[in-house]
Amino acid sequence: AQSVTQLDSQVPVFEEAPVELRCNYSSSVSVYLFWYVQYPNQGLQLLLKYLSGSTLVKGINGFEAEFNKSQTSFHLRKPSVHISDTAEYFCAVTPKGSWGKLQFGAGTQVVVTP
Amino acid sequence: DSGVTQTPKHLITATGQRVTLRCSPRSGDLSVYWYQQSLDQGLQFLIQYYNGEERAKGNILERFSAQQFPDLHSELNLSSLELGDSALYFCASSVARGDGEAFFGQGTRLTVV
Repeated sequence: AQSVTQLDSQVPVFEEAPVELRCNYSSSVSVYLFWYVQYPNQGLQLLLKYLSGSTLVKGINGFEAEFNKSQTSFHLRKPSVHISDTAEYFCAVTPKGSWGKLQFGAGTQVVVTP
Repeated sequence: DSGVTQTPKHLITATGQRVTLRCSPRSGDLSVYWYQQSLDQGLQFLIQYYNGEERAKGNILERFSAQQFPDLHSELNLSSLELGDSALYFCASSVARGDGEAFFGQGTRLTVV
């Protein structure tokens, strides 16, 4: 079984400041890791994914994440946020070789203010 | 626009009733997933179909059922509805077996009164 813990339920941040969203996971098998974003009144959109290879993954909209196997973490970062980054961010895992069903964390609400 | 279409967008119904939520996946996608998003449970995987066959099952109640048709659209049927079934129901699709990258629809917001 897998579990995903997002350590912050809400992160307020000023425009043009950096942001980091923390995600830890536990699993008895190897997993793929994801960050999805949900803008208000919309569905989820994939930001980035880690399947294998380089532990630093770059995604859309200037986001990047680093996979740390020893700490079982997959933290998301952006060096400079915009108002439009206000959204809820979900970390998710799926076991390798499974049929792609996602186990989500509880989400982190990012509120960007001028 | 993800290419995944869900209808209806909103649904209000009474306790004890039955509803059907519909999902049309992206063109060419064979896998369809259903998720439930609620304030108390968060985002939970319900069920997955691949090319018409059920492939994975999550925390789906016995009162809920789903199917995927030959044209690959899918329906989620919710019966004997309870107040606690009020939630946002998402459909997602992926090309094949799926590595977790999925394209989500905008969801159907179900309100049970």
